[in-house]
Amino acid sequence: AQSVTQLGSHVSVSEGALVLLRCNYSSSVPPYLFWYVQYPNQGLQLLLKYTSAATLVKGINGFEAEFKKSETSFHLTKPSAHMSDAAEYFCAVASGGFKTIFGAGTRLFVKA
Amino acid sequence: GAVVSQHPSRVICKSGTSVKIECRSLDFQATTMFWYRQFPKQSLMLMATSNEGSKATYEQGVEKDKFLINHASLTLSTLTVTSAHPEDSSFYICSARVGSRDTGELFFGEGSRLTVL
Repeated sequence: AQSVTQLGSHVSVSEGALVLLRCNYSSSVPPYLFWYVQYPNQGLQLLLKYTSAATLVKGINGFEAEFKKSETSFHLTKPSAHMSDAAEYFCAVASGGFKTIFGAGTRLFVKA
Repeated sequence: GAVVSQHPSRVICKSGTSVKIECRSLDFQATTMFWYRQFPKQSLMLMATSNEGSKATYEQGVEKDKFLINHASLTLSTLTVTSAHPEDSSFYICSARVGSRDTGELFFGEGSRLTVL
């Protein structure tokens, strides 16, 4: 069975500071990993995905994530936070079938 | 990227009535669509997998007679909440996959907020 754990339901950073959102996964087969962003009252938008190519994945809006098999992690980072980054972020895993399993989400707050 | 459109974005109905939510893939064909439910400040809960031309596959604990799913064409899936009750109030989101089973990303509709009075 596969699962996703996002550490921290809320993360608050100052504008210009580093953003780090943590995600750990569990999968019995090599996983495919995703980060999605959700703005209020909207659907989800893909930020980036890992599909067994390069372990460091770059996405939209300056975000990137590194797949670390030894740590079963796929943390999302951005060097400098912007006010527009405030949103809900979901880590997700897909392996061995159609289903995509989502983490509980982390709400990012950006302080001016 | 691919576009998935949901309608209506907001709906308010009386208890006991039925509500239909449409999910359309605008620029691609989707043989499989997914319906999620999201409670406030929570993650997405997969309700069912909608398969074009066949019956939907429901997740454990989801009442198939209450949440009717129809996927009659390659671009349209509908979710009907039958005999709605206030506890059915939620944000419902559909999605469709483009590409392979696992590596293809999901494209999401805008979501439909249902309020049952």
